[in-house]
Amino acid sequence: EDQVTQSPEALRLQEGESSSLNCSYTVSGLRGLFWYRQDPGKGPEFLFTLYSAGEEKEKERLKATLTKKESFLHITAPKPEDSATYLCAVGTGNQFYFGTGTSLTVIP
Amino acid sequence: DAGVTQSPTHLIKTRGQQVTLRCSPKSGHDTVSWYQQALGQGPQFIFQYYEEEERQRGNFPDRFSGHQFPNYSSELNVNALLLGDSALYLCASSWEGQLNTEAFFGQGTRLTVV
Repeated sequence: EDQVTQSPEALRLQEGESSSLNCSYTVSGLRGLFWYRQDPGKGPEFLFTLYSAGEEKEKERLKATLTKKESFLHITAPKPEDSATYLCAVGTGNQFYFGTGTSLTVIP
Repeated sequence: DAGVTQSPTHLIKTRGQQVTLRCSPKSGHDTVSWYQQALGQGPQFIFQYYEEEERQRGNFPDRFSGHQFPNYSSELNVNALLLGDSALYLCASSWEGQLNTEAFFGQGTRLTVV
């Protein structure tokens, strides 16, 4: 069964304390892995797309990596404005599956 | 560029009623996908429209239907509303008719069924 699992469910960091979020997946025929940021009551905001194992992408304090079974979203020296829910989604060509997200809180 | 716009932003309906939600895609996009997001959950794929036809569908009953217009805007219709249909409904637009290109989301419509 196709599945996307994100961990941890919630993460509290001190400002400047780097960490990583995990997205593991079991899908047939991965066509792309997507990371989104979602603020409360708003739609998801696109961050990255990764298409093949070994691929990496960076944007400001965020860096996304992809292996054959999982993806990591690394947050370097986070700031309070990075607080949000981070969603991972996998596309298989027929379906687009989201994980339940990691709720990140960065404390000043 | 206004991005993806959805209307209305909030809606309250009674069980058994019907509802129509609307979405205008980002300029230059030709594909619209709809998602249901329950509180504390990730978005669940409902269906995708391209060239005015339903191209992909998730695991949702026939009570959920849609339409895409020649200008690429789209509607989501839900009949015989249930309490469990209460959720944030998200519209995402993309291009090339492929499920796996970058999708940009609207702010969503918060539907409450009482």
